[in-house]
Amino acid sequence: GQSLEQPSEVTAVEGAIVQINCTYQTSGFYGLSWYQQHDGGAPTFLSYNGLDGLEETGRFSSFLSRSDSYGYLLLQELQMKDSASYFCAVSRTGRRALTFGSGTRLQVQP
Amino acid sequence: GAVVSQHPSRVICKSGTSVKIECRSLDFQATTMFWYRQFPKQSLMLMATSNEGSKATYEQGVEKDKFLINHASLTLSTLTVTSAHPEDSSFYICSASETSVSYEQYFGPGTRLTVT
Repeated sequence: GQSLEQPSEVTAVEGAIVQINCTYQTSGFYGLSWYQQHDGGAPTFLSYNGLDGLEETGRFSSFLSRSDSYGYLLLQELQMKDSASYFCAVSRTGRRALTFGSGTRLQVQP
Repeated sequence: GAVVSQHPSRVICKSGTSVKIECRSLDFQATTMFWYRQFPKQSLMLMATSNEGSKATYEQGVEKDKFLINHASLTLSTLTVTSAHPEDSSFYICSASETSVSYEQYFGPGTRLTVT
């Protein structure tokens, strides 16, 4: 079977840095994606890691360690608008659909 | 970026009726679209993979006769919830990939279905 684990909630203050971890167990692992979803809205793509290491996109970075079945999303210079749910999602070889984690609700406080 | 639309955004129907939800890729062709269901404050649960010109692939536990999926063109997939019941009330979201690489999916705005 497959499983993805991420913390259910994280709270941080404006301007801070927050890291959201994701551990996974899956066969045929291909890559790890991150999506952001505001309440009542559609998920939007943030980042993807197919290889080990860090991918940086502006204030957001994502990391993957395939040997540890672990990844994280790093958000820097937090803004109030970053308050949302963040989902990690696994891609598997030979399967186009993504499997999403349970999501981490980030609350940014002033 | 690629845009996916969904219609309707909200629908209220009576128990026993059927509801059709449309998912369109507006500026790209999508040979594959995906349908998800999401309960409040929960994750996206994949219901089925919709393939243009062929039958949809349903996830385990999803009733194919209840959730009818049609992908008649490269830009349109429809999900019909047949004989809806209150437990079918949920947020239904579709997504599509612009390329053969599926990790970057573009999601529609979702449809809030309420069955009374």
